Formats: sequence, C-alpha cells, structure tokens
Amino acid sequence: DAGVIQSPRHEVTEMGQEVTLRCKPISGHNSLFWYRQTMMRGLELLIYFNNNVPIDDSGMPEDRFSAKMPNASFSTLKIQPSEPRDSAVYFCASTLTGTHTEAFFGQGTRLTVV
Amino acid sequence: DQQVKQNSPSLSVQEGRISILNCDYTNSMFDYFLWYKKYPAEGPTFLISISSIKDKNEDGRFTVFLNKSAKHLSLHIVPSQPGDSAVYFCAASEGNNDMRFGAGTRLTVKP
Repeated sequence: DAGVIQSPRHEVTEMGQEVTLRCKPISGHNSLFWYRQTMMRGLELLIYFNNNVPIDDSGMPEDRFSAKMPNASFSTLKIQPSEPRDSAVYFCASTLTGTHTEAFFGQGTRLTVV
Repeated sequence: DQQVKQNSPSLSVQEGRISILNCDYTNSMFDYFLWYKKYPAEGPTFLISISSIKDKNEDGRFTVFLNKSAKHLSLHIVPSQPGDSAVYFCAASEGNNDMRFGAGTRLTVKP
C-alpha cells in the first residue's frame, strides 16, 4: 500500500477562491481524520469520519470549511471562500478503529492564500 | 479546548544525554496514548504508544511513561542522537477514535 495520499502537495490561491484538498486513505482503514497544523495549536483536529460518516466536526473553524467522504477511499476538505488566515499545512490521516493502532498520516498539503 | 497539552515548545539537549518530553491531558476517558515524530515537509510518523492499562512501554532508545493519576505522560530518549532532532507530538484517543494532538515540542540534539 502506498500509504495515505494527499493532493495537491502545495496550493497557492487568491483570497476568496475555493480550495479543495483531497485524501486517499489506506485501503481497509475505516477512520479518516483531517488536521491543520499551526504554530500555536500544533495538530488541530478539524473533523473525523468513521465508516464514511462524519462523527465529530466540532473542530471545523467556520462554515467556510466543509468535508465529505463519499466512499471509503476518498475524502475532500473544501474551503470556500478562502482567506489568508487559512494558510497552513493540512494533514489527512487514517486508521482502523477499535484496534488501538496508530494513525498513518499523509505528507500534507501546504496551503497559501494570498 | 486543548485536551492534550505540551507546554514546552522547544527542548535542546546534548548528544548522548537523555531527552525528556512531557505531555498532559485533561480527558480521563482517554485510554490510548501515542507519540509521533515529524520532520520538516513530511507527515508525522508514529514512534511509540502506550495503553492506559500500562505505565511504561519501551522500544529501544525510546520509553514512554504514563501517570494516570496525574494525567501525564512523558517520552524519554536515551541516548539522544542528532537524528532525533524533530518536532514531537503527543496524542491521545478514546477507543482509537477522535485522536487529539498537542501543540508539539521541537527537540534539537546538538552534536
């Protein structure tokens, strides 16, 4: 397995534009997490899915953020409209729930909103 | 609501000495704790974990200690090596759900 795959690796966009980040979890994993890395809060959990269903989205900062998981092998995190303060590295991770095993992370998407 | 806290943003130690990274948590329902290591431009990678039924887990140079009454865990690296220089994140979960991370501690090991 190639691990968790995120795309794009880097995204530069203008303020007000829509941004879509993509994630392919490890095959067989049933939980998927979206994190945002900031200096102040470290890895901040935005939302997590279990069996494609959003379980906890309390970390989503604003209504401008939305996430979907239409099937077990794909998830998106969308920001519309984007703002400069959204600039950060966004990570996706997946794991198998209930097994007390570690979550595996993708390499992240570095988002810059200018 | 920071349920997992790493109060030291950075730590610098000499090669060969012990590195001790600390982590506190507030949610008593957490039953699984992990440490991740992160290099620049890479995703975090798993380092070591401990279940709440244990108070110590060792893997080579890395040992994690858990003090449930104090809601505190620590990672010991002995001996520290320059290649250990990275950001270390503490994480906690309840039943492998909802994995929460701390803000991270940047470890620098000087040759």
